[in-house]
Amino acid sequence: TQLLEQSPQFLSIQEGENLTVYCNSSSVFSSLQWYRQEPGEGPVLLVTVVTGGEVKKLKRLTFQFGDARKDSSLHITAAQPGDTGLYLCAGAPTGNQFYFGTGTSLTVIP
Amino acid sequence: ETGVTQTPRHLVMGMTNKKSLKCEQHLGHNAMYWYKQSAKKPLELMFVYSLEERVENNSVPSRFSPECPNSSHLFLHLHTLQPEDSALYLCASSQGWRGAYNEQFFGPGTRLTVL
Repeated sequence: TQLLEQSPQFLSIQEGENLTVYCNSSSVFSSLQWYRQEPGEGPVLLVTVVTGGEVKKLKRLTFQFGDARKDSSLHITAAQPGDTGLYLCAGAPTGNQFYFGTGTSLTVIP
Repeated sequence: ETGVTQTPRHLVMGMTNKKSLKCEQHLGHNAMYWYKQSAKKPLELMFVYSLEERVENNSVPSRFSPECPNSSHLFLHLHTLQPEDSALYLCASSQGWRGAYNEQFFGPGTRLTVL
C-alpha cells in the first residue's frame, strides 16, 4: 500500500486554465512538502507546511494542508507552460524520514 | 560546480558488471541520501548518511552498497544487478536529516539501464 496517493496521475491542460492536484493518506504527518521535478532534473522543493489548515501561496501556486494533517492540495491559477513537470508531495509521519507520493505529471499546452 | 552533482548521468551495464555512481554536494550539508525513482512508483529512499554514518537502510538488496567517505561525497557501488534495477538514481543532501522543515536538495540523477 502507498503511504501517499496523489491524484490525478496525469493532467494535460491548456495555458491559462486552473487546476488542483491532491495528496491523500490515512496517516497523520508532522509536516508535508511539495516538490516539482522537471525532465532531466531532480525534484526541487516548493513549500513545506506543518500546521493543520495551513495555506501558503507561492505566486500562482496555493498549497493547503488538511485540518487533520492527512492530506494536502496544490492549486495552480492560470497555468503556464513553465509549470509543466512532475509534482511530488512528501510527508514525514514522525518528523524524520519523508515518504514521497506517487506524483502528478502536469503538461501545460501553449 | 554548485549544488549537488552526479556522475555519470547515464549508465548501461550488464548483470555481471560492477560499477559505481558518484554524488558530490557543494552546499556544506551534513546529510546525504540515495533514492531510486522508477516509472509508476513513488520515489524510494534507499540509504541516508548523517555525518558520514549510515542512519537509514530501507531493506535494500546487498547488490547495492553505499559508501560515504566524507560529508561531501557519496557513492553507490553496484554489482550483479537485475533488469528490474533499471531506474533513475537520485542523490540528495540536506543540512540535517531530521526536522519538519528539512529541505532536501537533489542532483539531476543517473539513468541506469541493466541489460
